[in-house]
Amino acid sequence: DAGVIQSPRHEVTEMGQEVTLRCKPISGHNSLFWYRQTMMRGLELLIYFNNNVPIDDSGMPEDRFSAKMPNASFSTLKIQPSEPRDSAVYFCASSEMGQKETQYFGPGTRLLVL
Amino acid sequence: QQQVKQSPQSLIVQKGGISIINCAYENTAFDYFPWYQQFPGKGPALLIAIRPDVSEKKEGRFTISFNKSAKQFSLHIMDSQPGDSATYFCAASTLYQLIWGAGTKLIIKP
Repeated sequence: DAGVIQSPRHEVTEMGQEVTLRCKPISGHNSLFWYRQTMMRGLELLIYFNNNVPIDDSGMPEDRFSAKMPNASFSTLKIQPSEPRDSAVYFCASSEMGQKETQYFGPGTRLLVL
Repeated sequence: QQQVKQSPQSLIVQKGGISIINCAYENTAFDYFPWYQQFPGKGPALLIAIRPDVSEKKEGRFTISFNKSAKQFSLHIMDSQPGDSATYFCAASTLYQLIWGAGTKLIIKP
């Protein structure tokens, strides 16, 4: 298995632009997590999907952030408009149903908003 | 109550020494305690995990010690090697998600 796939790996954009991050979870995994990692705040859970349905989005910073999972093999995290404080590494992780403790992380997308 | 407190923030250990990272929690509903290892430029990866009905779990050079009454658990890395240099996260499992510690940056000096 190729593992969790994220794209792009690096993104540099200007403040105010729309940013879309993409994730392909491991085949057969029913749960998908979006995280943000920064030096100041560590690893933060943004949103969690189970069977393509958002279960908890309480970690989404504000309305500028949105996430979708149109099918079991694809998810997006969108920031519109982006701000410099959104600069971080964004990880997608997936797990099997009922195996939330074992999350498989993608390589992350390093986002820099100028 | 949902927090997991991890210490130290950073740790330097000589090659061959024992690395010890500690975590504490408040919520007694946590039911699983994994440790993740993260190398620079990579996502975290599960290293070892323990359930609260077990006091210790060992996998190779890595051991988790769990003290349920004190609500503390720790990771011990025996015979630490330069390849162990990474950031380590403890976590605690709730109904559907992991609550993460802040991470410990471990450096093993040759």
